[in-house]
Amino acid sequence: QVQLVQSGAAMKSPGSSVKVSCKASGGTLSIYTLIWVRQAPGQGLEWLGGIIPGLDAADYAQKFQGRLAIDTDESMTTVFMELSRLTTEDTAVYYCARDSLAGTGYHGMDVWGQGTAVSVSS
Amino acid sequence: QSVLTQPPSVSAAPGQKVTISCSGSSSNIGKNYVSWYQQFPGTGPKLLIYDNNKRPSGIPDRLSGSKSGTSATLDITGLQTGDEADYYCGVWDSGLSGMTFGGGTRLTVL
Repeated sequence: QVQLVQSGAAMKSPGSSVKVSCKASGGTLSIYTLIWVRQAPGQGLEWLGGIIPGLDAADYAQKFQGRLAIDTDESMTTVFMELSRLTTEDTAVYYCARDSLAGTGYHGMDVWGQGTAVSVSS
Repeated sequence: QSVLTQPPSVSAAPGQKVTISCSGSSSNIGKNYVSWYQQFPGTGPKLLIYDNNKRPSGIPDRLSGSKSGTSATLDITGLQTGDEADYYCGVWDSGLSGMTFGGGTRLTVL
């Protein structure tokens, strides 16, 4: 059974960038949609973007266009999410999650990383 | 403001049934798969329903999902105190070209 392990918590200053990794163990990511979701304190879930590593084409939520990059390593076992020009409103827990079914289409995310807390403060 | 509308809260007594609704539009629920997630405070989401009405292995059959037109529902029967959590619906929105989640529903088991 695949597990997703994310990198550790980060504290950043406004205007800087953060890069979070999501590594799959026990399975492959290459043919599955892998998404990034965040949750600000006391708020709901917000989709940032997604990628199918084997296709190497990412989708991004419009509000993050231009400051979000999602890519994968050559082995397609680790996916990275980099968010730039951070503001205090980017303070949140960031999750990666894998779709339950291989291929394109969003069916439902059945494997989740443990979450990475990103705090943005001056 | 989410494009998917969920009631902020629902409640029911142990053993009873509760229905959580998720209202959308023709560009999201009307044409794409709905999924449902459970989240306890301080933990990540857990998939309860995928492809509108399918349960992953390990999810009991007292949880069920359905979809009709531009709305979806999650039913939980035989409520237990352990069901107290936040519940979210999620779906791809073809108009936005992105995934969207409902605002979440807090379930209280009285």
